[in-house]
Amino acid sequence: SYVLTQPPSVSVAPGQTARITCEGNKIETKRVHWYQQKPGQAPVVVIYFDSDRPSGIPDRFSGSNSGNTATLTISGVDAGDEADYYCQVWNTDNKNVFFGGGAKLTVL
Amino acid sequence: QVQLQESGPGLVKASDTLSLTCTVSGDSFSYSGNYWGWSRQPPGKGLEWIGSISYSGTAYYNPSLKSRVTISIDTSEKQYSLKLSSVTAADTAVYYCAKLEGGVVDNWGQGTLVSVSS
Repeated sequence: SYVLTQPPSVSVAPGQTARITCEGNKIETKRVHWYQQKPGQAPVVVIYFDSDRPSGIPDRFSGSNSGNTATLTISGVDAGDEADYYCQVWNTDNKNVFFGGGAKLTVL
Repeated sequence: QVQLQESGPGLVKASDTLSLTCTVSGDSFSYSGNYWGWSRQPPGKGLEWIGSISYSGTAYYNPSLKSRVTISIDTSEKQYSLKLSSVTAADTAVYYCAKLEGGVVDNWGQGTLVSVSS
């Protein structure tokens, strides 16, 4: 098992920068992926392989991974970014997927 | 682009077996690098991975659910299925089928709510 710890909530004013953390033991040795989930919708990947961005995701979304903490950064936050954000890693040996508990981003 | 669609009963009695099927459209079903998986999300809670299966039929399960879960694949129908036995109220959740590639869950079904009744 691998535990990923996220803050339950993050609040930020419009136009500011939101940083959502994901803590795990030596997480820098793993590839971290981030998902955005809006109410009533399936998750959507916004960052994969620590810092890559899928096509269609604004460059306001970025990711980093160092030590025991991975971070999703959203710059110039607007109301449309309000959502739950989940980090995720994959165990290549047993193909198990681990999600963090999720962080609710609130735009004030 | 891959599309996934869950189907199955929305209501299951406690102690029975929950059964869902995912139908896959698109060209990547047979790609060896893909794994076809299931995740669930209890109301108001976070995501939990249930398990996945390869095109060749090798299944991998979340250890916490392994004793109750079976995932199978029907390559001729481009479908794969989930069975979860001995369900309780704690198994009430939105169940998603999803594609896993390179460790990234890059495609999700719309999700289906399964409620367990007593």
